[in-house]
Amino acid sequence: ETGVTQTPRHLVMGMTNKKSLKCEQHLGHNAMYWYKQSAKKPLELMFVYNFKEQTENNSVPSRFSPECPNSSHLFLHLHTLQPEDSALYLCASSQNRGGADQPQHFGDGTRLSIL
Amino acid sequence: SQQGEEDPQALSIQEGENATMNCSYKTSINNLQWYRQNSGRGLVHLILIRSNEREKHSGRLRVTLDTSKKSSSLLITASRAADTASYFCATDGSGGSNYKLTFGKGTLLTVNP
Repeated sequence: ETGVTQTPRHLVMGMTNKKSLKCEQHLGHNAMYWYKQSAKKPLELMFVYNFKEQTENNSVPSRFSPECPNSSHLFLHLHTLQPEDSALYLCASSQNRGGADQPQHFGDGTRLSIL
Repeated sequence: SQQGEEDPQALSIQEGENATMNCSYKTSINNLQWYRQNSGRGLVHLILIRSNEREKHSGRLRVTLDTSKKSSSLLITASRAADTASYFCATDGSGGSNYKLTFGKGTLLTVNP
């Protein structure tokens, strides 16, 4: 148990659907992250939040909309996705918005399939 | 952009053998981390090594860092079937963007019983 919980674990949706991914961390961390993991590609950082404020949007298309109501919860709202958006979406947290100077704790991800 | 790159892409060994994975990176770093990912799960942090450190140990894991060669290695001794996983190195972003972790594509390690 990593202390970071993601729901749902699997999601299948059509291109016109709207859905949300949820992440919750029980570690008292201040920074939270969304990553996209596609086959045969490095992990891609999507968004960074620090103390509920978005500090990084890594050129992510607007069909992905993050929300961070508090330091423990992070959402990723999805609408009109494309087939190439099918991937494993990972949430992570760290004590502060540090980089490689502190470990990140990952959830087990949401496997997203776009029909 | 990809900073770290693991080598080999895949490694298959017998239980009890040692496994060595390498990571090369392009620009100077402050810190480097190694992570493990079991199939269908999230990443798990293994070790963090700072740029002024040359070697670090944690149980059966040994990480070395050579900043002059811009490379790191992860050694797993006396491997077990449960060590089967993908292993990733992660570094600071280049150019001082040290709040980003940049990952490589990983090494898939298979330990055969």
